[in-house]
Amino acid sequence: AQKITQTQPGMFVQEKEAVTLDCTYDTSDPSYGLFWYKQPSSGEMIFLIYQGSYDQQNATEGRYSLNFQKARKSANLVISASQLGDSAMYFCAMRELGWNTGNQFYFGTGTSLTVIP
Amino acid sequence: ETGVTQSPTHLIKTRGQQVTLRCSSQSGHNTVSWYQQALGQGPQFIFQYYREEENGRGNFPPRFSGLQFPNYSSELNVNALELDDSALYLCASSSGQGVTNEKLFFGSGTQLSVL
Repeated sequence: AQKITQTQPGMFVQEKEAVTLDCTYDTSDPSYGLFWYKQPSSGEMIFLIYQGSYDQQNATEGRYSLNFQKARKSANLVISASQLGDSAMYFCAMRELGWNTGNQFYFGTGTSLTVIP
Repeated sequence: ETGVTQSPTHLIKTRGQQVTLRCSSQSGHNTVSWYQQALGQGPQFIFQYYREEENGRGNFPPRFSGLQFPNYSSELNVNALELDDSALYLCASSSGQGVTNEKLFFGSGTQLSVL
């Protein structure tokens, strides 16, 4: 089974509007972290936001917020007031902390976001 | 603070050849991970090095090997290149604290094309 599922290959949003990028995850490990990364055409993965499995409140980082619904195993990224520079690929990722998890991050297939002027 | 740097940025090889990719970790980081990102896919974990020892490996064959040096820089070696090895290879460094919020800092990658 896929550890991270991103069902939106591509999304469009009008400049200054908000957009939600979906992410669901699969793990039986009670301790895990969820991350969102942005990948512009340059290739570098840029960290955006983190949510821990035990965090009670949704994470926020400037214009980015994470809608964490633990029971549904979803961790959607919300970008408010979209800007042209937000156009990029966005990846959801998870790291498990259980025994013998191998220290790896699991990434989804990404969502391509295009901001329209 | 120096970020993660990778070299070369682009590389073209032929099937059967060997390749070495290099990565300098961010200052203060002792852990380096390598990921393969095929076109249109998310990054896939190859392996991780912590203080010069392999510390986790993904589902990649033994012809993918690596090294980490005392200054925590790292190399990824791929032998007997196959066409499917064509991908963006990303190096990421981290602080090695082993906590859930330990994030990865990525380089810009090496684009490898195997002809």
